[in-house]
Amino acid sequence: NAGVMQNPRHLVRRRGQEARLRCSPMKGHSHVYWYRQLPEEGLKFMVYLQKENIIDESGMPKERFSAEFPKEGPSILRIQQVVRGDSAAYFCASSLFGRASYEQYFGPGTRLTVT
Amino acid sequence: EDKVVQSPLSLVVHEGDTVTLNCSYEVTNFRSLLWYKQEKKAPTFLFMLTSSGIEKKSGRLSSILDKKELFSILNITATQTGDSAVYLCAVEWGIQGAQKLVFGQGTRLTINP
Repeated sequence: NAGVMQNPRHLVRRRGQEARLRCSPMKGHSHVYWYRQLPEEGLKFMVYLQKENIIDESGMPKERFSAEFPKEGPSILRIQQVVRGDSAAYFCASSLFGRASYEQYFGPGTRLTVT
Repeated sequence: EDKVVQSPLSLVVHEGDTVTLNCSYEVTNFRSLLWYKQEKKAPTFLFMLTSSGIEKKSGRLSSILDKKELFSILNITATQTGDSAVYLCAVEWGIQGAQKLVFGQGTRLTINP
């Protein structure tokens, strides 16, 4: 059973470009969470999605960031018009049931570098 | 505002030493405290603690929670170079159905041979 998959693992974008990060949850998991980890900091919650629904986006910046988890296909975290401060590792986690934290399985992360 | 603070931020010891990592928190509607080990990739789950005073143990690692003083410790005995990693503490808080997970900034542990 493959774990949570994220791609790309590394992404380099110039300021002003768009970044698209993909997350495929573990098989059978319908709950996806996105976290951002800035250098030398802990993980910060961004958004929690179920299939076709955003459940909690309280950690998402108000502008330029959006997330979706369509009925078919991976969850996408989109960052428009990236700035240097967006450089970070973005982790996705998935769970089978609700929000119980110990059930969240993390992907390997996407390291975004904005030049 | 919810807050999870870990100390020390960085720790360097020799193989064989015992280390204690600390995590203190301030949240409303505490649900659980979790410890993760993060090497170069995703965090891997170590322990979940919900009750005070009950030690969780896995090999050379153990952890305990104090809900009165709002902290937890993670102990690693007879450390090995493979224990080198960032150890993250996270607190789950909030009402049922609207829980949030807040991470501390991590403790970077380096074990020298």
